[in-house]
Amino acid sequence: RKEVEQDPGPFNVPEGATVAFNCTYSNSASQSFFWYRQDCRKEPKLLMSVYSSGNEDGRFTAQLNRASQYISLLIRDSKLSDSATYLCVVVDNYGQNFVFGPGTRLSVLP
Amino acid sequence: EPEVTQTPSHQVTQMGQEVILRCVPISNHLYFYWYRQILGQKVEFLVSFYNNEISEKSEIFDDQFSVERPDGSNFTLKIRSTKLEDSAMYFCASTGSSYEQYFGPGTRLTVT
Repeated sequence: RKEVEQDPGPFNVPEGATVAFNCTYSNSASQSFFWYRQDCRKEPKLLMSVYSSGNEDGRFTAQLNRASQYISLLIRDSKLSDSATYLCVVVDNYGQNFVFGPGTRLSVLP
Repeated sequence: EPEVTQTPSHQVTQMGQEVILRCVPISNHLYFYWYRQILGQKVEFLVSFYNNEISEKSEIFDDQFSVERPDGSNFTLKIRSTKLEDSAMYFCASTGSSYEQYFGPGTRLTVT
């Protein structure tokens, strides 16, 4: 099973800051990419899909660079409620393999 | 909004006992998964299931594990003879055609 790597974190930022997370994957045949967030002792929740053209959802922007096998997530104007662990997920083999990165923990401080 | 449900939320068992963890995936989803997460560690893939058979399984999913879809709604994970190191959070997930995966709230398994 190929690996997914993320910034080790944790990231401690003040409210209102912009923060970026990076993720790299090793399987060049990977087909789909997602960001999930996971709160402490809860299930992962889908945050957004990541497309080659880049996509934005409110304060969140995701980018994919297939050539470099790199995915990013940018959070603007961070809120206290953004505090969580952010998981990069790479999908291989037509949806049969979902490979999770180890996660990057974000703490947004008042 | 449809959601994945799991029961029980917490299961305590003695080493060597069999446990069955239950999941009800989202009703129109076709792909089902089990993951585990040991406390403080990353989410680990166990098995994927499609069209009533296992599509892929990880090296963690050894002969002690099995999955079943006994009827049109339930999806179960059985651990035949639990070990201490099986203590973890077990998440069920399902996807439709978009590969967007939705997780259940998990079952915390404690093996004593």
